[in-house]
Amino acid sequence: GAVVSQHPSWVICKSGTSVKIECRSLDFQATTMFWYRQFPKQSLMLMATSNEGSKATYEQGVEKDKFLINHASLTLSTLTVTSAHPEDSSFYICSVRTSGNWEQFFGPGTRLTVL
Amino acid sequence: DAKTTQPPSMDCAEGRAANLPCNHSTISGNEYVYWYRQIHSQGPQYIIHGLKNNETNEMASLIITEDRKSSTLILPHATLRDTAVYYCIVRIYSGGSNYKLTFGKGTLLTVNP
Repeated sequence: GAVVSQHPSWVICKSGTSVKIECRSLDFQATTMFWYRQFPKQSLMLMATSNEGSKATYEQGVEKDKFLINHASLTLSTLTVTSAHPEDSSFYICSVRTSGNWEQFFGPGTRLTVL
Repeated sequence: DAKTTQPPSMDCAEGRAANLPCNHSTISGNEYVYWYRQIHSQGPQYIIHGLKNNETNEMASLIITEDRKSSTLILPHATLRDTAVYYCIVRIYSGGSNYKLTFGKGTLLTVNP
């Protein structure tokens, strides 16, 4: 399967700061990338879907101005959590898919803690 | 809006087959069933997917009922490292060439020595 990396693997920041998380598809042209978040003891929740070169499509209830997604190339997508608050503390996971491929691969996740 | 129902937890003895059920009674004719698993604090790992035929790969087998309203994931010889949350997902068409995977609560499989 595809190798997907995320950086950083964990981050601690102060309330009010912005945090950028990178998702890289190392051996796979990711025409579509997804961002999920997972709160403790809960399932993954899809935040947004982005196609390379296009604006992301956000799920209902996810603020697009707070969670900025950039998918500028077939191998890189970034999620920026702007003005982070403690309630944004979560496990953020990216996922990649290429058109015509049935499989969707997930990254290892980034744990964000906002103090 | 997950379209699947799974038992919250199951136990299995090491070396025995683990059979994980999933109900997806509202599945549409062209929607695929996917199985992923998530080991604690890691990203989900793809296991297998199918439409209507039974499928097998090096990790598991997927048995889909003829009416497609339910399926069973079979791990033929469970090991301690198979302890994880297993998610049964119906892949939903979301417009254009896009599909999305919506995760439910999954089944926590615990493999015991």
